[in-house]
Amino acid sequence: QSALTQPASVSGSPGQSITISCTGTSSDVGGYNYVSWYQQHPGKAPKLMIYEVSNRPSGVPDRFSGSKSGNTASLTISGLQAEDEADYYCSSYTSSRVFGGGTKLTVL
Amino acid sequence: QVQLVQSGAEVKKPGASVKVSCKASGYTFTSYGISWVRQAPGQGLEWMGWISAYNGNTNYAQKLQGRVTMTTDTSTSTAYMELRSLRSDDTAVYYCARESAALPLGYWGQGTLVTVSS
Repeated sequence: QSALTQPASVSGSPGQSITISCTGTSSDVGGYNYVSWYQQHPGKAPKLMIYEVSNRPSGVPDRFSGSKSGNTASLTISGLQAEDEADYYCSSYTSSRVFGGGTKLTVL
Repeated sequence: QVQLVQSGAEVKKPGASVKVSCKASGYTFTSYGISWVRQAPGQGLEWMGWISAYNGNTNYAQKLQGRVTMTTDTSTSTAYMELRSLRSDDTAVYYCARESAALPLGYWGQGTLVTVSS
């Protein structure tokens, strides 16, 4: 199973919205709703932000939202805040789990 | 509260084996699976495999088949990941994470740095 494709970096100013894409195939992202997103700050363990395409775990701000169209899933962060600066990884699970290469979000 | 506490950093020589532990608390251990994920320095996340704490069933990443073994000890609520025939490119931080359909990789351990160097 090949890694999912994410942009290497995105940036935005405080208060703005950004979207990170995650492209797979009909065998993973497009075929199932088992897409999740993880936030990772430097030196820290990843944190689950979105699961099953668009569900937020308890405690995750509603500024974070997920969606999917065809073979591409997306994570949108609205009202960008300084603490959102981190690496973000998408993941899909079918018979095995695969991650995207990660996207570095810079808050300008 | 759910906690996963991993064993400490390891330094190994090429060709050796390493066994990392992950002690769970705050939930019923046998009701969830444990996935192992590693991250080489400056690189992204790589899924290594999964083990059911209920019945010990495993699902390993194809790339690591034959070199990795995941086990659990339900008496101590501890999961283990053993990697054999270590190479320099196995140098990474190794994470365990609680796995469930409802919250995939919903809780993570603090990570264990494994350094492979001669």
